[in-house]
Amino acid sequence: EVQLVESGGGLVQPGGSLRLSCAASGFTFSSYEMNWVRQAPGKGLEWVSYISSSGSTIYYADSVKGRFTISRDNAKNSLYLQMNSLRAEDTAVYYCAREGATVAYFDYWGQGTLVTVSS
Amino acid sequence: EIVLTQSPATLSLSPGERATLSCRASQSVSSYLAWYQQKPGQAPRLLIYDASNRATGIPARFSGSGSGTDFTLTISSLEPEDFAVYYCQQRSNWPDTFGQGTRLEIK
Repeated sequence: EVQLVESGGGLVQPGGSLRLSCAASGFTFSSYEMNWVRQAPGKGLEWVSYISSSGSTIYYADSVKGRFTISRDNAKNSLYLQMNSLRAEDTAVYYCAREGATVAYFDYWGQGTLVTVSS
Repeated sequence: EIVLTQSPATLSLSPGERATLSCRASQSVSSYLAWYQQKPGQAPRLLIYDASNRATGIPARFSGSGSGTDFTLTISSLEPEDFAVYYCQQRSNWPDTFGQGTRLEIK
């Protein structure tokens, strides 16, 4: 069974940092492209970042470029999002999402981890 | 960036009725469009990809149609578990974008 489990969320002050993790199981993690998607409270979905299966290709939304860093450790079946210079508008539930091997959309999602940026 | 506009914002229907949800793109996305369902406190679930293909395990009452800029998600006969928020997503142009969602509520 495919499972994605996020962790690392919490309350952080503006300007602070946080590192999110996503532990993958039930599939060959190293073969799949991964993404982070966020959802502000009561709002819609916003794509945040993408990383290829090998980690060689990375993309970011303009809203987080220069502040967030996506990475992965295929040996540990884990995806990460390092978030620096956090702002109030980064407050959201952060989901890791797998891109399907034959279906280039997000076929599995984690349960999400809440990041709250507030003083 | 491509803007996806979903309508209506809220749709009130009864179980057994037919639901028709719309997603309009600000420019052509060809058929690179997906639909997701999200229930309160849960992650989104992929329903339809490439505009008209059902994802694994999705009941046949869900169908998608359209291409270019206009897309439709149809639920042929609503079940109680279908009342949720639905989002469209385009993957034609970077960055990926989502619509603002349509809330399907019980009338």
